[in-house]
Amino acid sequence: GAVVSQHPSWVICKSGTSVKIECRSLDFQATTMFWYRQFPKQSLMLMATSNEGSKATYEQGVEKDKFLINHASLTLSTLTVTSAHPEDSSFYICSASPGVGLGAQYFGPGTRLLVL
Amino acid sequence: QKEVEQNSGPLSVPEGAIASLNCTYSDRGSQSFFWYRQYSGKSPELIMSIYSNGDKEDGRFTAQLNKASQYVSLLIRDSQPSDSATYLCAAENYGGSQGNLIFGKGTKLSVKP
Repeated sequence: GAVVSQHPSWVICKSGTSVKIECRSLDFQATTMFWYRQFPKQSLMLMATSNEGSKATYEQGVEKDKFLINHASLTLSTLTVTSAHPEDSSFYICSASPGVGLGAQYFGPGTRLLVL
Repeated sequence: QKEVEQNSGPLSVPEGAIASLNCTYSDRGSQSFFWYRQYSGKSPELIMSIYSNGDKEDGRFTAQLNKASQYVSLLIRDSQPSDSATYLCAAENYGGSQGNLIFGKGTKLSVKP
């Protein structure tokens, strides 16, 4: 149980384009989903927290107009990187937390983004 | 600021030995604690959770919690080369959203054959 999927697993795009990443909880309903970014050999960095049906809460220093998050249902959240630039190249990982229990996060497999 | 502190390592142990990973947390309100394993190039995977003081065993893994000392540890018995990974300690962000966790930066474990 507690499976989270992400799509796509990797994407290469040209500078200036937008990229959408989907995160789905497959066997549970996720009241809260999280988006992280991880650069090579660095630790996880929380970008934003989203609750179904409400606006995401962004961490300090994360541009909300650049990283658009939509949590449209209890099983789906999307992250759109708008006008991507090479410095946005990173490993983007989502996680989801069930609405019950004591608060574990279950991570998706991640999406590698390379902006040329 | 709420923090979870871990020794970054690398921690190197021979195959078959016990690996001991430790972390401390700053938020006394935290009630739930988790250990995640992250292989290089992969996303984190939940391996243990602990909520009460004392030990919790699951196979070769034992999590230990001491709330008075704000200390969490993970013991891996009979370490295998396949256990080589970065281990992330996480504490509930008390007062945050459901599932909001504070992660440590991770301890890199290397198990030598």
